[in-house]
Amino acid sequence: DGGITQSPKYLFRKEGQNVTLSCEQNLNHDAMYWYRQDPGQGLRLIYYSQIVNDFQKGDIAEGYSVSREKKESFPLTVTSAQKNPTAFYLCASRRTGTTSYEQYFGPGTRLTVT
Amino acid sequence: GDSVTQMEGPVTLSEEAFLTINCTYTATGYPSLFWYVQYPGEGLQLLLKATKADDKGSNKGFEATYRKETTSFHLEKGSVQVSDSAVYFCALSKTSYDKVIFGPGTSLSVIP
Repeated sequence: DGGITQSPKYLFRKEGQNVTLSCEQNLNHDAMYWYRQDPGQGLRLIYYSQIVNDFQKGDIAEGYSVSREKKESFPLTVTSAQKNPTAFYLCASRRTGTTSYEQYFGPGTRLTVT
Repeated sequence: GDSVTQMEGPVTLSEEAFLTINCTYTATGYPSLFWYVQYPGEGLQLLLKATKADDKGSNKGFEATYRKETTSFHLEKGSVQVSDSAVYFCALSKTSYDKVIFGPGTSLSVIP
């Protein structure tokens, strides 16, 4: 089955440590996205990538970094510079250059930093 | 800039009640409109979409009609179930390259 996988489901880290969240898709989508969701809040865009080896900052990129070395993979690193990293992180993807504009989402990773 | 506004939640309904969640948008051009649903602890799932004025999207008993004259895309369901308890997000996108603009979400609780 095609889809987006995020691992792990739950992640715990100590303050001051960098942590990398995985996102893989086998939908053959060109574009991939990372969102952050806080309790009772909507989605905020962290980074996005329309094509391999290229990515752009979203609305809240500070303290985060990404890479896009392969079409299927878009890992997100939460660095120690991120002041409040505890949140639910969602990865999404979609086709580009088509008339279908919807995004497809992974199951999310809940990160807790103490 | 473009934006999406949804009715404030949380919304609490009894099972078999009629559901309406209001969504209005501000955008130039002709965006596609979406409703996503998020069950507790999960990612978002596309519930339905509409790509042009007067289109009606429908899925799992939910419906929404793209009304350009009122810039609205209200979500409706005739008879809700406990399993419909979730957060519902209205969203728009103008092309497959533009960002998707999400509303803040509306939490729905259905009680037996």
